[in-house]
Amino acid sequence: DAKTTQPNSMESNEEEPVHLPCNHSTISGTDYIHWYRQLPSQGPEYVIHGLTSNVNNRMASLAIAEDRKSSTLILHRATLRDAAVYYCILRTRDSGGGADGLTFGKGTHLIIQP
Amino acid sequence: NAGVTQTPKFRILKIGQSMTLQCTQDMNHNYMYWYRQDPGMGLKLIYYSVGAGITDKGEVPNGYNVSRSTTEDFPLRLELAAPSQTSVYFCASSYSTAATEAFFGQGTRLTVV
Repeated sequence: DAKTTQPNSMESNEEEPVHLPCNHSTISGTDYIHWYRQLPSQGPEYVIHGLTSNVNNRMASLAIAEDRKSSTLILHRATLRDAAVYYCILRTRDSGGGADGLTFGKGTHLIIQP
Repeated sequence: NAGVTQTPKFRILKIGQSMTLQCTQDMNHNYMYWYRQDPGMGLKLIYYSVGAGITDKGEVPNGYNVSRSTTEDFPLRLELAAPSQTSVYFCASSYSTAATEAFFGQGTRLTVV
């Protein structure tokens, strides 16, 4: 299975942009890059996903490197409510061709300072 | 639109007891998943289903069983509970696979004593 590598933790100030990096050097051509976040005592929440091109939505932006071996989740203006664990995940089919499961690593613990 | 609903939210079991964690979704999703999350760790896939009547094992299936008789429901059964099954359990669903988002329930916190 393709794996991702993220920093254990990052710290940022409120109302400043945050860039969360993710390395996925073994990504295959059909793997989608997904980002989820988990607020304390809650289930994971979808943030954004992409395949090759950069993506924007109301929550964040996703910048994907040209070789697709890394990506960056961008929170344009962090608030205290953005403090969470952020997971970068490659969503891929299993070897049997059936349903994929999102494979979670430990993620990046984002700390927002007021 | 309720999304993914899990019951109960909390449960304490004694060693050797059994229970069923309930999961239902109202989005007509074909794909459903069960995860467990131990303290300070990421989520690990227990079982998944691609549709009614079809289930398959994930990374950590031992000690669990599932069934999928309807599109909406995907219960997780724990037989002979053990302390190692103390964890937070999350159910998730998605319409398709890699190209769509998954929706998660709020979790069931299970303690086995």
